[in-house]
Amino acid sequence: DAGITQSPRHKVTETGTPVTLRCHQTENHRYMYWYRQDPGHGLRLIHYSYGVKDTDKGEVSDGYSVSRSKTEDFLLTLESATSSQTSVYFCAISAKTSGSDEQFFGPGTRLTVL
Amino acid sequence: QQQVKQSPQSLIVQKGGIPIINCAYENTAFDYFPWYQQFPGKGPALLIAIRPDVSEKKEGRFTISFNKSAKQFSLHIMDSQPGDSATYFCAASRNQAGTALIFGKGTTLSVSS
Repeated sequence: DAGITQSPRHKVTETGTPVTLRCHQTENHRYMYWYRQDPGHGLRLIHYSYGVKDTDKGEVSDGYSVSRSKTEDFLLTLESATSSQTSVYFCAISAKTSGSDEQFFGPGTRLTVL
Repeated sequence: QQQVKQSPQSLIVQKGGIPIINCAYENTAFDYFPWYQQFPGKGPALLIAIRPDVSEKKEGRFTISFNKSAKQFSLHIMDSQPGDSATYFCAASRNQAGTALIFGKGTTLSVSS
């Protein structure tokens, strides 16, 4: 998993509660990403970071915020979780290999919002 | 223009067969086309990727064929094995860090023994 860990791996929460997911990497990669995976949609980018305190929105950013205070940690926050945010969330990093910027994914967090 | 269309949605082959998964993209600015393999409960794992300056790339039993004029690319798995049973995703992007991968919806492959 390219030195990426995600926590928690599973979480069940109730509508309206705040939730924070953590992505931790050990290899000092500059770029980090959060994707969500839903049946019939593949993976879609939520937010990404290009450095400490530098983040930008992806395709499906509504309802999510992110923070990166250290190179190794990228946090995804659902301020007030909704049932539509039930999904599997994957963190990824970019690494340059064979001349291409390739993305490598963590093991995922399965979030259920009741 | 951002879509990547993947087919088929599911595929069943016998051991030793050659499953083929197809993808089509719209954005001509895309210049990086990876394939990911995902097992249940795991994250997607990069399998093989191609740039548009070549028409074919092989890594072990996995081959990508790329047709720039048709804006299509495909994954072929030679001598498929039961251990290849997984979900496969194609993706496309500009080959630049900080760029989103645009994924197809996935193909679930079952290889029967």
